Amino acid sequence: DAGVIQSPRHEVTEMGQEVTLRCKPISGHNSLFWYRQTMMRGLELLIYFNNNVPIDDSGMPEDRFSAKMPNASFSTLKIQPSEPRDSAVYFCASTRDGLNSPLHFGNGTRLTVT
Amino acid sequence: AQKITQTQPGMFVQEKEAVTLDCTYDTSDQSYGLFWYKQPSSGEMIFLIYQGSYDEQNATEGRYSLNFQKARKSANLVISASQLGDSAMYFCAMSPDNYGQNFVFGPGTRLSVLP
Repeated sequence: DAGVIQSPRHEVTEMGQEVTLRCKPISGHNSLFWYRQTMMRGLELLIYFNNNVPIDDSGMPEDRFSAKMPNASFSTLKIQPSEPRDSAVYFCASTRDGLNSPLHFGNGTRLTVT
Repeated sequence: AQKITQTQPGMFVQEKEAVTLDCTYDTSDQSYGLFWYKQPSSGEMIFLIYQGSYDEQNATEGRYSLNFQKARKSANLVISASQLGDSAMYFCAMSPDNYGQNFVFGPGTRLSVLP
């Protein structure tokens, strides 16, 4: 069973450019989460979806960030325009309904904005 | 709102000894799940162990066990017979029993195992 797949693994871009991060959750999982991890702020929840519907996007930093989940097997996190302070590791994770279901994380996308 | 507290930013333990990593949580929910994750220096997040709020027995998974004290709202991770490969960040997390299952993570504890 393939795990959560994120692409790209690394992204280096210049300030002002658009960045799109992609995620394929585990088949059968109906909740998907986007987290950002930095040394200063730790692991921050940006947004999560349940059955493709955004449930809580209060963690999205500002209007430059947007996330979509057009179907059960794909999600994107877009930053436009990107800024150096967006440099971080972005994790996608998925799970299925049920209290005993752990989050399964992708390997993350390391974003560097210069 | 749910909150996870991990009061130990860093811990040291001698190889082959046991170590306890603290986790306390705050929730008004009656039903919830508690999880521990390991993040080695390579960066991936690895699920270690789960405890349900209604489970009467403490969870165990190999060398990992969870010391669950519901009245005190604590869910400490115990690692027995530490190994050098246990050096990593450890995160405590909680999932409340509500629609959408919002996972909340603590700030983490960095464990260093000394040879």
